[in-house]
Amino acid sequence: DTGVSQNPRHKITKRGQNVTFRCDPISEHNRLYWYRQTLGQGPEFLTYFQNEAQLEKSRLLSDRFSAERPKGSFSTLEIQRTEQGDSAMYLCASSLWDKSYNSPLHFGNGTRLTVT
Amino acid sequence: AQKITQTQPGMFVQEKEAVTLDCTYDTSDPSYGLFWYKQPSSGEMIFLIYQGSYDQQNATEGRYSLNFQKARKSANLVISASQLGDSAMYFCAMRELRNTDKLIFGTGTRLQVFP
Repeated sequence: DTGVSQNPRHKITKRGQNVTFRCDPISEHNRLYWYRQTLGQGPEFLTYFQNEAQLEKSRLLSDRFSAERPKGSFSTLEIQRTEQGDSAMYLCASSLWDKSYNSPLHFGNGTRLTVT
Repeated sequence: AQKITQTQPGMFVQEKEAVTLDCTYDTSDPSYGLFWYKQPSSGEMIFLIYQGSYDQQNATEGRYSLNFQKARKSANLVISASQLGDSAMYFCAMRELRNTDKLIFGTGTRLQVFP
């Protein structure tokens, strides 16, 4: 079990550029989640997948944001036309969903995005 | 309305002492789960402990225990025998599963353990 892996760890981009982050979940986990965390706040839910199906998107996820999980394995989160307000830590998590409440989410180390 | 409330922005505790981190929650769903996570300065969210709404006993995991008071809607984390490595941000989170599967986090409590 290598844990949830996120790349890159840090990304600095200029306003208006597009960025893409990758998340590799724990291999046997069927659910994958994206969260965003700004300084001094708890993580905020963005979206989650069960296998390759995207089951829910938060209203925080504007049309500039898109997430995919092709083949139900790794996931990508793309932000188009970045804005300074997009600067945050983007956290990915995975879990083995078995219809119980107690399967915890396992988080990666996050990708810190800075938009200049 | 805030669903998870952590009223302590920061807490100090001396090494080897116990400390309680407060968490209250708000939900109308009878079925829910409560989680505590630790976030060191490295940024990773580390799962600590879970309490289900129907669990009869308070959860315990090593030095961590959860003081679950359902009627008061509180789920306080107790860390016994604090260690310097416990210094971190601690987040309480709730999982409602009526229509969705997501964790709702509080704003966190920064714990500092001093020698």
